[in-house]
Amino acid sequence: GAVVSQHPSWVICKSGTSVKIECRSLDFQATTMFWYRQFPKQSLMLMATSNEGSKATYEQGVEKDKFLINHASLTLSTLTVTSAHPEDSSFYICSARSGGQQETQYFGPGTRLLVL
Amino acid sequence: QQQVKQSPQSLIVQKGGISIINCAYENTAFDYFPWYQQFPGKGPALLIAIRPDVSEKKEGRFTISFNKSAKQFSLHIMDSQPGDSATYFCAALKNFNKFYFGSGTKLNVKP
Repeated sequence: GAVVSQHPSWVICKSGTSVKIECRSLDFQATTMFWYRQFPKQSLMLMATSNEGSKATYEQGVEKDKFLINHASLTLSTLTVTSAHPEDSSFYICSARSGGQQETQYFGPGTRLLVL
Repeated sequence: QQQVKQSPQSLIVQKGGISIINCAYENTAFDYFPWYQQFPGKGPALLIAIRPDVSEKKEGRFTISFNKSAKQFSLHIMDSQPGDSATYFCAALKNFNKFYFGSGTKLNVKP
């Protein structure tokens, strides 16, 4: 199946710093990428949807100025958590969808963020 | 409002037994229903999926049963193995738009 990678797999940072997470589709072109947040023992919460070359669409309640999403190419999307705070600590997962298989999302392995 | 409701929250099954996880939805516009398997510290992986024009789909030990009139669908894992121990999420999709995930079921298969 299609492969989606995330980098880094985990990150620890100090409160107030910014953290960038990369999501790459390794063997297909992802016209759409999704960013999710998952708290322990809970389901995935969609944060935003990004289409290559256009602005991301954020879900209600997600601060677009805090969670900056860039989808500059068909294989790369980045999520930047700006001025991170301890409450931003979570598991962030991206997924990618190719234009040819609209219903299939391939998930990355996730990035665990811990803000001290 | 949760679009997809999943139960049970956790499930313990003996090796060789059948694991059954249920999901229910409200929106009749949903047209694609996948199940994902997630191991700790990993992203979800697509397990099996079904469309509403089919009542059942089987892939190996995994079967989806779909009841359109009741707006319910379930995952059956036959001959459950300890390696199946993971968290399972059902999801629903409409018009190739965003996914709506269930709350997840943590399955523990005892050896």
